[in-house]
Amino acid sequence: NFMLTQPHSVSESPGKTVTISCTRSSGIIASNYVQWYQQRPGRAPIIVIFEDKQRPSGVPDRFSGSIDRSSNSASLTISGLRTEDEADYYCQSYDATTVVFGGGTKLTVL
Amino acid sequence: QLQLQESGPGLLKPSETLSLTCNVSGDSINSGTNYWGWIRQPPGKGLEWIGSIYSTGTTFYKSSLKSRVIISADTSRNEFSLRLSSVTATDTAVYYCARRRLTSLVGAFDIWGQGTMVTVSS
Repeated sequence: NFMLTQPHSVSESPGKTVTISCTRSSGIIASNYVQWYQQRPGRAPIIVIFEDKQRPSGVPDRFSGSIDRSSNSASLTISGLRTEDEADYYCQSYDATTVVFGGGTKLTVL
Repeated sequence: QLQLQESGPGLLKPSETLSLTCNVSGDSINSGTNYWGWIRQPPGKGLEWIGSIYSTGTTFYKSSLKSRVIISADTSRNEFSLRLSSVTATDTAVYYCARRRLTSLVGAFDIWGQGTMVTVSS
């Protein structure tokens, strides 16, 4: 089984851009789609990026996703940060028999 | 509108068996286009996938939990269930049920239940 490693926390000021990474420990990042979820305290996660870079309807285009084959990682970028973006963010991927979540990244918008 | 709702006891003693049910409304668990899964989150910690079931009854479990977990489905009630045996305090968590897409939003958990807190304590 593989693991997905995220930074524990990131912080940035309102209006700025932040990028959260998600590195796959084994297997090829591009071989299975990566999703990103936002979770606010006491709430269920909601999906903000699916299939590496697609946005569900209703998610602002300030949210974008990408993968980097050279570092075997995925990234979530949030531009024009707002205080309401402060939350925990989780990446998720899978293989034929397993689903894996990253450990989560706490985003603080100062 | 698709909704998932977890139900089950909120308090268990060590060594007991956790049993939760997820009722699905607005979609059929028999549709063949989705997996149906369980994810948990211990207090203050991250998300952990427990396992998933497909419409054929095929199940997939996290390897470290496999010996204690059974996920089953009741298509007549349009619900699926989780049984986790021999619980300990480390099984204390919010348990979520969720739909995982096979087509469109491939691989993603797109709809989640609100979650139910399960505490294991003597």
